[in-house]
Amino acid sequence: AQKITQTQPGMFVQEKEAVTLDCTYDTSDQSYGLFWYKQPSSGEMIFLIYQGSYDEQNATEGRYSLNFQKARKSANLVISASQLGDSAMYFCAMRDLYNQGGKLIFGQGTELSVKP
Amino acid sequence: NAGVTQTPKFQVLKTGQSMTLQCAQDMNHNSMYWYRQDPGMGLRLIYYSASEGTTDKGEVPNGYNVSRLNKREFSLRLESAAPSQTSVYFCASSATGETGGYTFGSGTRLTVV
Repeated sequence: AQKITQTQPGMFVQEKEAVTLDCTYDTSDQSYGLFWYKQPSSGEMIFLIYQGSYDEQNATEGRYSLNFQKARKSANLVISASQLGDSAMYFCAMRDLYNQGGKLIFGQGTELSVKP
Repeated sequence: NAGVTQTPKFQVLKTGQSMTLQCAQDMNHNSMYWYRQDPGMGLRLIYYSASEGTTDKGEVPNGYNVSRLNKREFSLRLESAAPSQTSVYFCASSATGETGGYTFGSGTRLTVV
């Protein structure tokens, strides 16, 4: 069975600094995808970044990067130059890419607060 | 705008009442999903439909039923609501093998009193 673990219920970061949100996963699938979503206080789920299990390079999307360490089964999200608008819940998730259904399994989330 | 539309956005039910949450997507996605979100527990999968005509249980299916009416629509029904079903419900859709993640609806905040 797949499992995602986010061990940081809450994090604080100073504006303009970088922050790392931890995510570890467990799966027996060979082909899987790892995702990060942002959920601001308004409640919508916003897709941030994706990493495939066979991708050799870490994914980057603007100020977001994913530190993928396959042997350690970790997929940490790094946000550079934090902004006040980054304050939100962040969810790590994974899915089997090639089976029909491809259920997305979520971690418990990390609440990030950016201080001015 | 293309996307996933959920209705209603808010609902208050009395214990024992029934209701159906509606979800429709216009992206021609094969797969659709219903999640519930509770504080400290992330999103948990209730039911999903890998393709039109199929439905399967997720992690927390008890107390719910679903119908994949057609490729666009996937509804979630609470036959006899309980206070434990107070939650925020999200519908989502994806193409098979989608690497860009799901597309989520805006959520339904349900309170059962």
